[in-house]
Amino acid sequence: EAGVAQSPRYKIIEKRQSVAFWCNPISGHATLYWYQQILGQGPKLLIQFQNNGVVDDSQLPKDRFSAERLKGVDSTLKIQPAKLEDSAVYLCASTSGGYTGELFFGEGSRLTVL
Amino acid sequence: GIQVEQSPPDLILQEGANSTLRCNFSDSVNNLQWFHQNPWGQLINLFYIPSGTKQNGRLSATTVATERYSLLYISSSQTTDSGVYFCAVGEAAGNKLTFGGGTRVLVKP
Repeated sequence: EAGVAQSPRYKIIEKRQSVAFWCNPISGHATLYWYQQILGQGPKLLIQFQNNGVVDDSQLPKDRFSAERLKGVDSTLKIQPAKLEDSAVYLCASTSGGYTGELFFGEGSRLTVL
Repeated sequence: GIQVEQSPPDLILQEGANSTLRCNFSDSVNNLQWFHQNPWGQLINLFYIPSGTKQNGRLSATTVATERYSLLYISSSQTTDSGVYFCAVGEAAGNKLTFGGGTRVLVKP
């Protein structure tokens, strides 16, 4: 069974530029999460989708971050314009069991903002 | 929201030693998972354990939900056990997983 796929693995941009990350969850997993992990910290939830609907985006900085999951399968997270403090690893995870289910993570996309 | 505290923050072990990692949480939960983040950043699911005890090889975990803590045991540690161990919990009245700050483990040969 294929795992959660993410791309790109690494991205370096200058501040005020834009960047997009892509995630394809495990087949059949209805729930998809985007987490932000800053070096030395635990992952922080940015947004949670159930199929193509947003369940929780309370910690998403909506002035610069956006995410979509149009067909209820793969998802894109965009940052525009990027700030220095957005340097982090962006992790995508999926589960078949909603928020009580077992979570599986992709390898992450490491962003460096210069 | 729920608070999740992990201890100790750092742990240095000699290969072959045993250790216990702790996760305390501040409210009732319906989801608790332990993850290992390897040196390349990949988060690997170790246990899904909102209550009870599970074992997988040299690793085992116990969650006592009524007392709001979970323990992860590593026996006969190996250098490949190095990395960061995270506990993540889901509030019984909520809809998301909250991660603790992690325990950084270094196993020396």
